[in-house]
Amino acid sequence: DQQVKQNSPSLSVQEGRISILNCDYTNSMFDYFLWYKKYPAEGPTFLISISSIKDKNEDGRFTVFLNKSAKHLSLHIVPSQPGDSAVYFCAASETGTASKLTFGTGTRLQVTL
Amino acid sequence: DAGVIQSPRHEVTEMGQEVTLRCKPISGHNSLFWYRQTMMRGLELLIYFNNNVPIDDSGMPEDRFSAKMPNASFSTLKIQPSEPRDSAVYFCASSPAGGRIWEQFFGPGTRLTVL
Repeated sequence: DQQVKQNSPSLSVQEGRISILNCDYTNSMFDYFLWYKKYPAEGPTFLISISSIKDKNEDGRFTVFLNKSAKHLSLHIVPSQPGDSAVYFCAASETGTASKLTFGTGTRLQVTL
Repeated sequence: DAGVIQSPRHEVTEMGQEVTLRCKPISGHNSLFWYRQTMMRGLELLIYFNNNVPIDDSGMPEDRFSAKMPNASFSTLKIQPSEPRDSAVYFCASSPAGGRIWEQFFGPGTRLTVL
């Protein structure tokens, strides 16, 4: 039972356009959410996070939106760049288990010229 | 600063053999995590340690898997005996005490192939 779901295994976007990656979760105890980026042959690296007390967090070209009622979050990348091509993992942490992250299956983003 | 170090980077073995994966966390980090990545299930947490003590091993698939952390700078994940379905990329990650403990720092992974 996947508690964190990324239903789109892949996404292709033109350079300069917006990339929107989606993530759904089922566990209502999740209270902190993160996005990680992974390049081939490397480990995932932390990108951006959001607490459940917020509905938006922005860091440069990256913005994460959280809709708690829908149990949905999304990552927006504007403008998309070729270097953003990677696999993006959504992750969530449950109240009281701050160190433990539950990851989704990932979305492969390809930014084309 | 050195990041999380994993060895070997690639391991090819035959079914039934013992496999040992190694991890050196970032100095000063007090939490260590072992993950397995597959296409079907993404990144699955196998086990994590806090201050060298196993806290949650509910993700360990079965008794063939075991993990140890004898000190703050070293951990091992052992599979004995290995099976073809264990083929995956195994990641080790560490995180610091306090502050942004949700932010985990991953090693480059070990790609395991069991024939």
